[in-house]
Order: sequence, then structure tokens, then C-alpha cells
Amino acid sequence: AQSVTQPDIHITVSEGASLELRCNYSYGATPYLFWYVQSPGQGLQLLLKYFSGDTLVQGIKGFEAEFKRSQSSFNLRKPSVHWSDAAEYFCAVVASGGSYIPTFGRGTSLIVHP
Amino acid sequence: EAGVAQSPRYKIIEKRQSVAFWCNPISGHATLYWYQQILGQGPKLLIQFQNNGVVDDSQLPKDRFSAERLKGVDSTLKIQPAKLEDSAVYLCASSLMGASGSTSDTQYFGPGTRLTVL
Repeated sequence: AQSVTQPDIHITVSEGASLELRCNYSYGATPYLFWYVQSPGQGLQLLLKYFSGDTLVQGIKGFEAEFKRSQSSFNLRKPSVHWSDAAEYFCAVVASGGSYIPTFGRGTSLIVHP
Repeated sequence: EAGVAQSPRYKIIEKRQSVAFWCNPISGHATLYWYQQILGQGPKLLIQFQNNGVVDDSQLPKDRFSAERLKGVDSTLKIQPAKLEDSAVYLCASSLMGASGSTSDTQYFGPGTRLTVL
């Protein structure tokens, strides 16, 4: 079965600084990968997804993520963080074969200092 | 386009009571998911429906949890009787098809129901 690790529980950055949130997965083949954002009291919103093709994926709100097969990683990046980016970020993996059952990481809480 | 609707938004009950949550997915979405999100954790899938059939319910505690999706549209999730450890946010999501490999696999989430069991 697939699994997801988000090693950082909290990340603190200053507004305007760059951001990288880490995500590592465990799966025997190339999975489908997702990043979601969750603001307080809200449901999850999809930022971006990787199914195949170009390993650098562009998403909404200026986010991007790079799939690195050799490192089993799918890290999320943003060049300049805004205060409104403060939220919980979840990485998720879906096995590329069989039923569509997503597995989520535990999440990384992003804190943005002015 | 209207999003996924859930009600109630908040519910407080005592242990051993029963509770039900309702979800109305985006119109036309065939697949519906119920997740449990315990504080400090990522969402855990409880059950997945494709139209009105169950695709996966392997992580649903069937001794106390039940879910149905009559007519393949809206869905209810019930807990009877509730335990303290059921305190969580219950998220509903829907997707157009849910078939593996389809670019329509994007899940759209509702705002969730926050359940507190005392």
C-alpha cells in the first residue's frame, strides 16, 4: 500500500520569502500526486496534481511542485510567500492502478510572519 | 457552479448518542467520498461511492458507522453509538468520475462537519 510522509509539522517563513514544503511517498510504481491547501474551518482545495509528463507542475496561487522519481519526492514550492498563504498543506498520493483511493500525509502548517 | 454542501457545520453530542451528517455533491459528479480528519492528521478515507454503489469501505468502522447514497446523488453518514475518539471533522468530497487515470479525478471538498463527542 502507498504511504505519504510530510516531515515538517510546522514551517515558519517571512512574507516575501521563498517556500518549500516537503513530501515523500512510498509506492512501487509512479503514483498520482496531489497538493491540497486547507484554511481554518474550510475544506481542502486542490493546488496542483501530477499524473504524468512534465515533472514540474504549475498550480494555482503561484505554487509549483516537482516530481523526482529518484528521491520519491513531490515538494511544493513558491518563490514569494504572501500572508494569505498561511494554512495547512497536505500532500496526497493515489496508486496509479486499481481503485482511486487517496492517502494523505499528516499535513504541514505554514506560518507567515509579516 | 455550486460546490459540495455539507450540514450541519458543527455538532456536539454525548458519547453513545447517534449523529448523522449530510452531503450534497456537485451536480453531475458520480463519485462521492467521506473522510474523517482527526485534529493534527490528514484526512482518512472512510467510504467511496460510485453513483449509488460502494467502491471501497475498508476503513469504515462498520460496527458503528454507516453510509448510504440513495439515488446516486446526496449521501448521509451516520454514527451510532458515538465514541469519544469519533471527535473529528467529517469531510465530504466529490469528483466527476473517479476512474483511475482520468484527468477528471480532481476531488472537490465541502467545508466539513466538526463533530465533538463529550
